[in-house]
Amino acid sequence: DADVTQTPRNRITKTGKRIMLECSQTKGHDRMYWYRQDPGLGLRLIYYSFDVKDINKGEISDGYSVSRQAQAKFSLSLESAIPNQTALYFCATSDSSGLGTGPYEQYFGPGTRLTVT
Amino acid sequence: RKEVEQDPGPFNVPEGATVAFNCTYSNSASQSFFWYRQDCRKEPKLLMSVYSSGNEDGRFTAQLNRASQYISLLIRDSKLSDSATYLCVVIHSNDYKLSFGAGTTVTVRA
Repeated sequence: DADVTQTPRNRITKTGKRIMLECSQTKGHDRMYWYRQDPGLGLRLIYYSFDVKDINKGEISDGYSVSRQAQAKFSLSLESAIPNQTALYFCATSDSSGLGTGPYEQYFGPGTRLTVT
Repeated sequence: RKEVEQDPGPFNVPEGATVAFNCTYSNSASQSFFWYRQDCRKEPKLLMSVYSSGNEDGRFTAQLNRASQYISLLIRDSKLSDSATYLCVVIHSNDYKLSFGAGTTVTVRA
């Protein structure tokens, strides 16, 4: 079984709809992240969480919200989806207790392809 | 100017060739550096960390040049399976967040 899973894997939704993307991990990592990827722009950080009670905005948090329901679960919500939120969304985890560069080594889920029409 | 810039390529090389490409970063406070590999819009996977003294992992060699603020990746004896997009990742010492480059695409042909 995959260590980091994302649901749904693909989603098409209409402008104005609320949508939630879910991420679960079995790696036991404390840190979790949400990114979006657009062609030519690389991955951009939306939100991140260093533990269950910690939520931080990334560089492009407007229009998004998150919830860290448990150490293993981190969900991303689009309150009112708009077409420019069409992108590939990745969840990632890392382990703050890792040695050396370990805390910065991120493990990604398979991604959710979201299309907003 | 983007924090992390990469030549998007594509670099088209025959099997067995050597291919090398760079990544430049703008924040001199950058602390840690990585190369990730991404296949055809699948999830990125860590390829290797980049150490100050340079490091090798099999056919892959990573170098860091702090004075000129770039890192490089060299692939020797290219295989068809090396075809992918290679993402440069930089971590800042002030906030420990990762900044990703947009990627360099390598295509190895038979």
